[in-house]
Amino acid sequence: QKEVEQNSGPLSVPEGAIASLNCTYSDRVSQSFFWYRQYSGKSPELIMSIYSNGDKEDGRFTAQLNKASQYVSLLIRDSQPSDSATYLCAVNIRSGWGKLQFGAGTQVVVTP
Amino acid sequence: DGGITQSPKYLFRKEGQNVTLSCEQNLNHDAMYWYRQDPGQGLRLIYYSQIVNDFQKGDIAEGYSVSREKKESFPLTVTSAQKNPTAFYLCASTPPGKANTGELFFGEGSRLTVL
Repeated sequence: QKEVEQNSGPLSVPEGAIASLNCTYSDRVSQSFFWYRQYSGKSPELIMSIYSNGDKEDGRFTAQLNKASQYVSLLIRDSQPSDSATYLCAVNIRSGWGKLQFGAGTQVVVTP
Repeated sequence: DGGITQSPKYLFRKEGQNVTLSCEQNLNHDAMYWYRQDPGQGLRLIYYSQIVNDFQKGDIAEGYSVSREKKESFPLTVTSAQKNPTAFYLCASTPPGKANTGELFFGEGSRLTVL
């Protein structure tokens, strides 16, 4: 079992709709969770971090964390063509200091 | 402007050759990392360094070497012992005070192709 799992997609979303991305992780004691956006051929860019259960909102992005169920999700409201990218979920695993374990990413395609 | 600079952006290497990828940061970050990304896969940790003159192996260190002689610099050498070196290599660092969280900021990456 992979430590961090995401649906690979592609997730096709109409412009203006909500994109919903999910991520599950295996290490129950993980404490830090991140979402990175990666455009094709570019490096990952941090867009959200979340450390406690519940929702965290930043502009059109909302991260949701449920430690009991071991999943973290990302909602993108009012999706724009510029949101078309691969979204990487990253989790700070217990076994390493400050080391993130990355999922393979979910590709999002926003269609006009 | 502060940031992480990787060079070269594109590199071609013949089999059997060693190659060194540069990573320089002017953010005053202590912790630095090297990740490798293959198509359709997540990032995998090669090496990391928490402080000058100290570094640790990550999950896939075989065939790679690093040094950390200066806080600003963390070069990665891909040796001929690395069986499948063609990949996108990403250097990253963690801001002070964020070491426990693992939050990362990335350079623009170096794409290595072995011919």
